[in-house]
Amino acid sequence: QQQVKQSPQSLIVQKGGIPIINCAYENTAFDYFPWYQQFPGKGPALLIAIRPDVSEKKEGRFTISFNKSAKQFSLHIMDSQPGDSATYFCAASIRETSGSRLTFGEGTQLTVNP
Amino acid sequence: DTAVSQTPKYLVTQMGNDKSIKCEQNLGHDTMYWYKQDSKKFLKIMFSYNNKELIINETVPNRFSPKSPDKAHLNLHINSLELGDSAVYFCASSQDRGYPIEKLFFGSGTQLSVL
Repeated sequence: QQQVKQSPQSLIVQKGGIPIINCAYENTAFDYFPWYQQFPGKGPALLIAIRPDVSEKKEGRFTISFNKSAKQFSLHIMDSQPGDSATYFCAASIRETSGSRLTFGEGTQLTVNP
Repeated sequence: DTAVSQTPKYLVTQMGNDKSIKCEQNLGHDTMYWYKQDSKKFLKIMFSYNNKELIINETVPNRFSPKSPDKAHLNLHINSLELGDSAVYFCASSQDRGYPIEKLFFGSGTQLSVL
């Protein structure tokens, strides 16, 4: 059962554009939401994360918007560059008795054309 | 120095063979993981170990057996390989298993191809 739904599957923008990637979740027990960036041939790397008690978090050109009531969150990339071309994964963390578990979305392949 | 290193990078083998993937982290982390990334790039957790103790064991075939000789190492042994096992396997680590997982550090992956 996929608990974190991510869209779109792929996205192509021109340099300088603002790609937006959306994620939705059902389980209200999730309460930490990171985004990971993966380049070809590499493992995913943490990009930015948000807790549900804030509605927005910005780090450089990357912004997470969080809507707790709608159970949705999104990643915006300002002034996108060709070097931002990568696969982006949203994720959600849940506390379990054995520890924490991170569930990933399906991923979005972003291409930024020069 | 590579924080999370896994070997080999590529593994090509025949159906029915047994193979192992090794992982080591030099970050001093307590918790290590194995993730499987399929051809559609979907990332799914397989196992998690905290200080050599198995704490997450997802529904994976019992042909997959993780082993953690110490908290810096987590190996994955796969018996009787099948075509459907072809995927990229990622090792990862985190500071501890506490809440929440602030940051996962991933290795570069092992591309397993079963012919």
